[in-house]
Amino acid sequence: EADIYQTPRYLVIGTGKKITLECSQTMGHDKMYWYQQDPGMELHLIHYSYGVNSTEKGDLSSESTVSRIRTEHFPLTLESARPSHTSQYLCASRPGLAGDLETQYFGPGTRLLVL
Amino acid sequence: KNQVEQSPQSLIILEGKNCTLQCNYTVSPFSNLRWYKQDTGRGPVSLTIMTFSENTKSNGRYTATLDADTKQSSLHITASQLSDSASYICVVTPSFNDKVIFGPGTSLSVIP
Repeated sequence: EADIYQTPRYLVIGTGKKITLECSQTMGHDKMYWYQQDPGMELHLIHYSYGVNSTEKGDLSSESTVSRIRTEHFPLTLESARPSHTSQYLCASRPGLAGDLETQYFGPGTRLLVL
Repeated sequence: KNQVEQSPQSLIILEGKNCTLQCNYTVSPFSNLRWYKQDTGRGPVSLTIMTFSENTKSNGRYTATLDADTKQSSLHITASQLSDSASYICVVTPSFNDKVIFGPGTSLSVIP
């Protein structure tokens, strides 16, 4: 059982609001990821981090930003939410040690609806 | 063109029946291939993981196979249960970086 948590699980918010999606893991993993997934579609990487103070943009362009001040915490922020941001956001983590067999552990996801 | 493709897109089977899901990839060279199960509204959970040198890996009623020559993998589910209803995602990790590539998933519905 993976110890990775996301809050809130569901969020309905109006256009223009600032929101922060929380992601925390208690496994001491160095690498953390944010994915965006529309219903019935594949996951797209939007941000990742290889450790504290490390953040990189993923393959899918996103207006969100992330920070990694602590190993266990990787929050994602939208300064001004828009309906196009409506999606499911999944956080994942894995150990930072070299090894091809590392599996990403996923949180339960946050379903965001922007009205 | 997607680097990881899956078929069928969706599948409905009767409880107790077996089924096989397919994954074709063009990622090369690749480090490993994983199958994930994603319940509706939840995050994906790893089922199996195989390196390029492995041909098969089992996890209970789930058996994954890999043919690195044809770049194909399959996930076989035996004696399906209602709880198997989920999306099954094939994920490939390239050798040259660790940005995993997700397939679109196969949506499986097991009905009584």
